Amino acid sequence: AQKVTQAQTEISVVEKEDVTLDCVYETRDTTYYLFWYKQPPSGELVFLIRRNSFDEQNEISGRYSWNFQKSTSSFNFTITASQVVDSAVYFCALSTTSGTYKYIFGTGTRLKVLA
Amino acid sequence: DAGITQSPRYKITETGRQVTLMCHQTWSHSYMFWYRQDLGHGLRLIYYSAAADITDKGEVPDGYVVSRSKTENFPLTLESATRSQTSVYFCASSTGGGYTFGSGTRLTVV
Repeated sequence: AQKVTQAQTEISVVEKEDVTLDCVYETRDTTYYLFWYKQPPSGELVFLIRRNSFDEQNEISGRYSWNFQKSTSSFNFTITASQVVDSAVYFCALSTTSGTYKYIFGTGTRLKVLA
Repeated sequence: DAGITQSPRYKITETGRQVTLMCHQTWSHSYMFWYRQDLGHGLRLIYYSAAADITDKGEVPDGYVVSRSKTENFPLTLESATRSQTSVYFCASSTGGGYTFGSGTRLTVV
């Protein structure tokens, strides 16, 4: 069975703090994709990153970074020097390449960044 | 404009009524999906389609019907709406990699 777990339901931080959002996944497939999406208060789903299961390099994009570790089945997301505009719900998702490209989503983590 | 469009953005309907949510994409993406978003559940797959006239059930298909006679359209119909179907519905399309999501439809069943 495939599963994505985001154990942190809600996190509150003060602006400029660093924050890490955890994502743990389960799959028996050897080839898969992992994603992070941001859902701001306006409601749309904004794509942040896609990671192929064969690429374990960490990724940095501005204040955002992602740590992918197959050994622990984790794909964690860190925001450095958080800002109020980072307040949103963040979803981690898993997709296999089995032909259907269905996503399995985690339940999301609500991040509140306080000024 | 190119993209994926959902309509309506907001809908209130009564229990027992049939309601159809529309989804239209302009890229000719093969894959299309319907998800519902509920607090505590994240997004759950209702139905998906790999191509025109090919559809299949997802995780929570009961009470829903889909069709895909044309590649660009993927309507979702609630045959007899129930209060448990109050949710935000997202349509998405894909060529096989990442999704592009529509803006969502907030449906309230009273």
